Amino acid sequence: GDSVTQMEGPVTLSEEAFLTINCTYTATGYPSLFWYVQYPGEGLQLLLKATKADDKGSNKGFEATYRKETTSFHLEKGSVQVSDSAVYFCASLYSGAGSYQLTFGKGTKLSVIP
Amino acid sequence: DTGVSQDPRHKITKRGQNVTFRCDPISEHNRLYWYRQTLGQGPEFLTYFQNEAQLEKSRLLSDRFSAERPKGSFSTLEIQRTEQGDSAMYLCASSSTGTGVTGELFFGEGSRLTVL
Repeated sequence: GDSVTQMEGPVTLSEEAFLTINCTYTATGYPSLFWYVQYPGEGLQLLLKATKADDKGSNKGFEATYRKETTSFHLEKGSVQVSDSAVYFCASLYSGAGSYQLTFGKGTKLSVIP
Repeated sequence: DTGVSQDPRHKITKRGQNVTFRCDPISEHNRLYWYRQTLGQGPEFLTYFQNEAQLEKSRLLSDRFSAERPKGSFSTLEIQRTEQGDSAMYLCASSSTGTGVTGELFFGEGSRLTVL
């Protein structure tokens, strides 16, 4: 079945450092890809998405590009802030058979220190 | 702006007892989802409703689990004869028809179940 693998955490960075969280997927067909974020004490929320190959999703300074050739959707941010401290989940959705199941990775906890 | 709300936020129960969780989705959303998240793992899909119809169930949803959405608004997830392996965070999410197709789900904060 479909699966998503993301880099193990936790990740600790200093403020203004560059962030990369790796994510790769295996799927039937061509899924849509997502990054969800969970801030402390809050529910999961969509950070960005890409629905086809070579699409770039972006939001709040974060970016991720859908790479079909490497089946990857790595999350990047050029300069992290303390407020970016959260758990980040990569996810895929293949709705070709009328299914709406999101498949999530295990999550990567990011801590940004001043 | 009211988001997805879940109740109770935390439930502690003894093995063998029944528990029920409630989810109130965003009012205009016709799709509702239940996910389960255990420690150190990402959320895992349990079931999905469109209006009152339960359209999809995961094999994770054993016979002890039942979910309903009787009027197409709030939903309940009941676990009968709880086991220690049921200890997890139960997440509810909702979406409208359009955003559900594109994967944008709106999640509640979850109901944490601890089975002693």
